[in-house]
Amino acid sequence: GAGVSQSPSNKVTEKGKDVELRCDPISGHTALYWYRQSLGQGLEFLIYFQGNSAPDKSGLPSDRFSAERTGGSVSTLTIQRTQQEDSAVYLCASSLVGQSNYGYTFGSGTRLTVV
Amino acid sequence: QKEVEQDPGPLSVPEGAIVSLNCTYSNSAFQYFMWYRQYSRKGPELLMYTYSSGNKEDGRFTAQVDKSSKYISLFIRDSQPSDSATYLCAMRRSNYGQNFVFGPGTRLSVLP
Repeated sequence: GAGVSQSPSNKVTEKGKDVELRCDPISGHTALYWYRQSLGQGLEFLIYFQGNSAPDKSGLPSDRFSAERTGGSVSTLTIQRTQQEDSAVYLCASSLVGQSNYGYTFGSGTRLTVV
Repeated sequence: QKEVEQDPGPLSVPEGAIVSLNCTYSNSAFQYFMWYRQYSRKGPELLMYTYSSGNKEDGRFTAQVDKSSKYISLFIRDSQPSDSATYLCAMRRSNYGQNFVFGPGTRLSVLP
């Protein structure tokens, strides 16, 4: 696609429910990142996928968070048993291998509100 | 101490002013430095990137890196109301695949 597409753009969920956030990267981009942005906070790294390599999960804040990337393209971030502190904007980004040192292209994010 | 510090603002300037946005960092291994601009309810977009120390200019924007002081700056000349956004600095070490560390962002308002 022309850009990184994320869905839904907004999600309101009840505490304790599971949510799935979707990211469709730019076609051909092999690197995919998930970040979380809370009010007044910088972007917090969550997880990184690169081709067929094992993902870098070092940023996931708890075992309630997981992500997968199917076929090297679309990625889904799943949050189980959501808590109010999970409320944030979840941003996905992608880049070409070899150009990741020059930054990546972000989607518009999913604004998650846990009530 | 956070790895990357940035004054959150908000910073309000009149149209036409020169804007200086800054970040400090603690990890001397950082070599790649970026500035992103983020409009409300949008994802960040890459504005400028620099490698190691030095200056880089692109139109009204100039990025400076001073590795000896662990300090980077973004200057905006002849600021416009359309420059009103949050500006995020980001940096990382050398290797491919390692994620960037972002500052919290500075919110800028350019008043007409």
